[in-house]
Amino acid sequence: GESVGLHLPTLSVQEGDNSIINCAYSNSASDYFIWYKQESGKGPQFIIDIRSNMDKRQGQRVTVLLNKTVKHLSLQIAATQPGDSAVYFCAGLDRGSTLGRLYFGRGTQLTVWP
Amino acid sequence: NAGVTQTPKFQVLKTGQSMTLQCAQDMNHEYMSWYRQDPGMGLRLIHYSVGAGITDQGEVPNGYNVSRSTTEDFPLRLLSAAPSQTSVYFCATSPGSTTYEQYFGPGTRLTVT
Repeated sequence: GESVGLHLPTLSVQEGDNSIINCAYSNSASDYFIWYKQESGKGPQFIIDIRSNMDKRQGQRVTVLLNKTVKHLSLQIAATQPGDSAVYFCAGLDRGSTLGRLYFGRGTQLTVWP
Repeated sequence: NAGVTQTPKFQVLKTGQSMTLQCAQDMNHEYMSWYRQDPGMGLRLIHYSVGAGITDQGEVPNGYNVSRSTTEDFPLRLLSAAPSQTSVYFCATSPGSTTYEQYFGPGTRLTVT
């Protein structure tokens, strides 16, 4: 199976700074990763995904980096805003597996200070 | 479109009681899943379905049953509730064709006493 985990359970940044949230995975067969954002009392919300044939993918204010050599991915949030405060999860999917086998990490609580 | 809806939002059960958590979607997505989320934990997959009439077990299926008679609905049944099933339950859907992006419902907070 897969195991994904976040390096730090909490992260505090000042408004306007860049945030970097890290995640490690154990299964080299994983070929697809997703980052989710979960605000208090709500369900997770898709942020960005990346396939293993890519090293980097950019969205609006977010960038995901994938390093397959060390089985590590990161989510970078530019110019962090108070609305970015939430729990962030990474999730991985094994190659050849069905959608249902998406493994989630434990989450990092991002707090943005004004 | 309502997206993914879950009912009820909150539920308290006594040990041994049974109940069904409802999940409905109006996006015509083939894939549907149930997860539970416990404090300090990520989401753990309970059961999932790749289409009407097809279901399979996830990481933590014991104590739960599912069925998928229609594309829209994917109910989760607790046969005999136990305190260990106290958790927040999320239903998720995905088109699953070109993306594995999942759309989550708002969750059901279940307490078993």
